[in-house]
Amino acid sequence: DVKVTQSSRYLVKRTGEKVFLECVQDMDHENMFWYRQDPGLGLRLIYFSYDVKMKEKGDIPEGYSVSREKKERFSLILESASTNQTSMYLCASSRTVLSGNTIYFGEGSWLTVV
Amino acid sequence: AQSVTQLDSHVSVSEGTPVLLRCNYSSSYSPSLFWYVQHPNKGLQLLLKYTSAATLVKGINGFEAEFKKSETSFHLTKPSAHMSDAAEYFCVVSGGFTGTASKLTFGTGTRLQVTL
Repeated sequence: DVKVTQSSRYLVKRTGEKVFLECVQDMDHENMFWYRQDPGLGLRLIYFSYDVKMKEKGDIPEGYSVSREKKERFSLILESASTNQTSMYLCASSRTVLSGNTIYFGEGSWLTVV
Repeated sequence: AQSVTQLDSHVSVSEGTPVLLRCNYSSSYSPSLFWYVQHPNKGLQLLLKYTSAATLVKGINGFEAEFKKSETSFHLTKPSAHMSDAAEYFCVVSGGFTGTASKLTFGTGTRLQVTL
C-alpha cells in the first residue's frame, strides 16, 4: 500500500512564525501535492511538484512556498504565518500526471495560527 | 475549463437503507472521475474511479457509481448503508492539463450521516 506520511498532525503557531509542514511518500512517486482544506470550500491546490527541485503553482500559492530536495519528501513552508492560514493541510502523491491517475493522500496536518 | 458540483452538502439515511450522493460535472475533455471518502480527522481515501472504461464502476465497501455522459453525472450509490459509512465524500474530476499536470477539481463535499 502507498503510504503518505505527514509528520505533524496538529500544530499551533504564532502569527509571523515560519512554519514547516513535512510530507514523505514511500512509493517512488514522481508527483507530490499540497492542498488546503476548508469547510465549504473543498480542497484547493497550493503547489505541486513533478520532479525533484521542480514545482508549479496551484490555485492559491500566495503566502506559501515549497521545497523538494529528495524525491520522497515535499515540504510546505509558510514564511510568516497569518491567522487566515489556519486550516487543514493535506499532502498527496501520484505516480504520473496523467488524467485518471490515482492520488494518494496523507492524514492531514491541522494548523492553527494564533 | 472544468467544474464539479455536489448537489447535497448533507445527506442523512437510516442504517440499512440505500445511499445516493449526487455529483454533476462539466469538462472540455474526456474526464476521469473519482469518489473519495474522508473519515473524521483522516486523509482522503479512494473509493472508486472512472477512466473511460465501463460506465458502471464498483468500488470498495459496496459503493458503486455510474458515469452518464448525457446527464454529465457521476452519482455514488450503495444499496444498504452501514454506520461506518458516516463520513464526508468528495467527487473529483480530472481532465486536461494545466502546466505539466492533469488538473484535478474537487467538489465541496457531501457529509453522510447514518442513523440507527
